[in-house]
Amino acid sequence: GAGVSQSPSNKVTEKGKDVELRCDPISGHTALYWYRQSLGQGLEFLIYFQGNSAPDKSGLPSDRFSAERTGGSVSTLTIQRTQQEDSAVYLCASSLTGLAAYEQYFGPGTRLTVT
Amino acid sequence: KQEVTQIPAALSVPEGENLVLNCSFTDSAIYNLQWFRQDPGKGLTSLLLIQSSQREQTSGRLNASLDKSSGRSTLYIAASQPGDSATYLCAVRPVETSGSRLTFGEGTQLTVNP
Repeated sequence: GAGVSQSPSNKVTEKGKDVELRCDPISGHTALYWYRQSLGQGLEFLIYFQGNSAPDKSGLPSDRFSAERTGGSVSTLTIQRTQQEDSAVYLCASSLTGLAAYEQYFGPGTRLTVT
Repeated sequence: KQEVTQIPAALSVPEGENLVLNCSFTDSAIYNLQWFRQDPGKGLTSLLLIQSSQREQTSGRLNASLDKSSGRSTLYIAASQPGDSATYLCAVRPVETSGSRLTFGEGTQLTVNP
């Protein structure tokens, strides 16, 4: 079946603009995760969804970052008033359930560049 | 706070060599450990998942071991090929965060020369 998909694959935006990044998880996966990969910071956890709720959003770096998930499927990560330090690759992952034993499957990522 | 370290940061080997990548973590309270491969400009491909109760997992030319009490894992790649060139990432699922996230190492960049 299809894997995790993300769109857009690349996004260039001007400082101060808002951006939306989209993630389509594997069909039937109830858990969804967002991570960020940036130079010098490695791969960092942002937020975890189980169904439509977010039991753990402790990794969101500031209140400019928000995410939602609707219908237990698609998720959108929104960054408001983008800053240059937001430039990174944003990766989405999904797993069958949120139980720790289950493997996470990653999408190809969205490369965000803030100019 | 859980920290994951991977050594070496980069490795270059001739084709055909067997090699070992190392991963260490500071808190042994983990649910599992996962090894990933990342090609340039791409997402992560899961290679092996080892549950905390397991000692090793094998897939083809790859073998991963886990020594939870000492906070170490190794990824063994047999008979390396140029197509194995990629960055290899190790990640643990810490109990302290209720298993809701993966904590990653910085990765080992592997180059296999023909």
